[in-house]
Amino acid sequence: DTAVSQTPKYLVTQMGNDKSIKCEQNLGHDTMYWYKQDSKKFLKIMFSYNNKELIINETVPNRFSPKSPDKAHLNLHINSLELGDSAVYFCASSQAPSGGSSGANVLTFGAGSRLTVL
Amino acid sequence: ELKVEQNPLFLSMQEGKNYTIYCNYSTTSDRLYWYRQDPGKSLESLFVLLSNGAVKQEGRLMASLDTKARLSTLHITAAVHDLSATYFCAVDQYALNFGKGTSLLVTP
Repeated sequence: DTAVSQTPKYLVTQMGNDKSIKCEQNLGHDTMYWYKQDSKKFLKIMFSYNNKELIINETVPNRFSPKSPDKAHLNLHINSLELGDSAVYFCASSQAPSGGSSGANVLTFGAGSRLTVL
Repeated sequence: ELKVEQNPLFLSMQEGKNYTIYCNYSTTSDRLYWYRQDPGKSLESLFVLLSNGAVKQEGRLMASLDTKARLSTLHITAAVHDLSATYFCAVDQYALNFGKGTSLLVTP
């Protein structure tokens, strides 16, 4: 049973289109994240939700809109796709938000969704 | 702005050799994570270091943390081909902030 599952695994689309990526975790974690990994493998935080509330919203174009219908799901919708959006998008979850005061907070990552914009 | 710098970014080493990957960061933090990523795959947690002087070992990998120097190291002992992967360190502040990764290739 996959702990953090993302769909789809691959997305190929034209510039200007809109697409969504879905993420679900069955770990009972309270916090979920979207990270973007570019072609040089650099990983950057985009968004984080804790119990359905947005807690991290990095400098990301507002074409990207996350939605968390419940604490086990976090979706990412992207409008008007651009060439520079091509990347692998990773969903992750953790027991509690990063930066908290207590103990380890290991992130469990999904398998990634590779988005290619043509 | 928090900076997390790894070096080297690329490492080719022979089987049986030892090497160390370095991770420097620019803020006070006592939580440092190491992850492994195989090509085309997800990230897998390797080590969590939670205090100054923390040392963790798993097989041929050993990680340590010096919070005063803002430095973590990942030491590889007697490398084998199966260790070929990209290794990331990450510092826990507000969010997990990752270094650029070290791509390790172990050759016969």
